[in-house]
Amino acid sequence: EVQLVESGGGLVQPGGSLRLSCTDSGFSFSSYWMHWVRQAPGKGLVWLSRINSDGSSTSYADSVKGRFTISRDNAKNTLYLQMSSLRAEDTAMYYCVRDSTTVVMTYWGQGTPVTVSS
Amino acid sequence: IQMTQSPSSLSASVGDRVTITCQASQDISNFLNWYQQKPGKAPTLLMYDAIILETGVPSRFSGSGSGTHFIFTISSLQPEDFATYFCQQYDNPPYTFGQGTKLDIK
Repeated sequence: EVQLVESGGGLVQPGGSLRLSCTDSGFSFSSYWMHWVRQAPGKGLVWLSRINSDGSSTSYADSVKGRFTISRDNAKNTLYLQMSSLRAEDTAMYYCVRDSTTVVMTYWGQGTPVTVSS
Repeated sequence: IQMTQSPSSLSASVGDRVTITCQASQDISNFLNWYQQKPGKAPTLLMYDAIILETGVPSRFSGSGSGTHFIFTISSLQPEDFATYFCQQYDNPPYTFGQGTKLDIK
């Protein structure tokens, strides 16, 4: 069973930074592309970023480009999202999502909440 | 790529047939997922490649369409189906979602 567990969320002041982590307890983490998606309270889903299996290629939504950085450590089965210059509008639940062998964005973690407020 | 999903909300009864549509702003072939999300939970994948049912998902769920116009159907609503549904394109990043359809009990 695929299990993705996010951590690192919390309360941060505007302009601050935070690093989210997502650990995959399964096997073959290094084989799959990974994504981050967020959902503001009561709102819809927003795709933020993706990274390929070996970490050599990344893509970002315009809303976070230059502020957020996705990365991964395949030896630790862990995905990261480094967030900087945080704004109130970045307040959301942040989900990591994994592809399967044949399907994009199949498996979701339970999310970690981020609140940007003074 | 913009994804326009409709309706934004829908009231229906157990046993009803419901349909949700998703319109892409450009041709995305069949690169479309449908997700279900219940309150306080992460989304779960129901359908991929527009028409393929994810393993373990009941056959009352179905999808159709390609190019720019897509339809998601629940043939006979069950109590556990009352939730919010999202379409998502994965033709090219950013992998945009529709705005969501909240399905509640009439």
